[in-house]
Amino acid sequence: EIVMTQSPGTLSVSPGERATLSCRASQSVRNNIAWYQQKPGQAPRPLIYGASTRATDIPARFSGSGSGTEFTLTISSLQSEDFAVYYCQHYNNWPLTFGGGTKVEI
Amino acid sequence: EVQLVESGGGLLQPGGSLGLSCATSGFTFSRYSMNWVRQAPGKGLEWVSYISTSSTTIYYADSVKGRCTISRDDAKNLLYLQLNSLRDEDTAVYYCARVFYGSASHFDYWGQGALVIVSA
Repeated sequence: EIVMTQSPGTLSVSPGERATLSCRASQSVRNNIAWYQQKPGQAPRPLIYGASTRATDIPARFSGSGSGTEFTLTISSLQSEDFAVYYCQHYNNWPLTFGGGTKVEI
Repeated sequence: EVQLVESGGGLLQPGGSLGLSCATSGFTFSRYSMNWVRQAPGKGLEWVSYISTSSTTIYYADSVKGRCTISRDDAKNLLYLQLNSLRDEDTAVYYCARVFYGSASHFDYWGQGALVIVSA
């Protein structure tokens, strides 16, 4: 099973600042990784897939990069609605696994 | 509009059984692979099970293997999850989620979730 490790666990930032979230896979997942945003009481929302492709209706301030085992989600200028928990997920093989999440807080 | 709506959650006894349904609409259900994902209270996301189109391929997480059955009814646009021999650690919100493309891709649509509490 591929272990996805996210860091940091919590990221404290101010509105308008840049946020950089990391995700590391225990073995190569090529570019088969997605990022999701989850707010309290809501289902996860897809942000990025294929490591760097924005999902439908996702603003350009969200970007993804990386391949192999190291991945990054960048939020270029945090808006109030971006404070949430972010998860990475690989879909390179079975079982699919998620990272433990990064909470982005004010 | 794509919609996924889970039902069947509630308070269940340890050792009992769980039956969840996911009603889908707004897309051609038979053309998409589907998954169940769960989230324990205050915890992260855990993939539970996958079913391909035509039910030809099925996978389970080790945590539920041997206790779990995923199935689908393409005529009714429904996805199901049966989980037996329930344990306290099965307490979670259970989401159904659609695979964007093929078998190995991200999950592009999620239901709102069904809360399952396993407690005596």
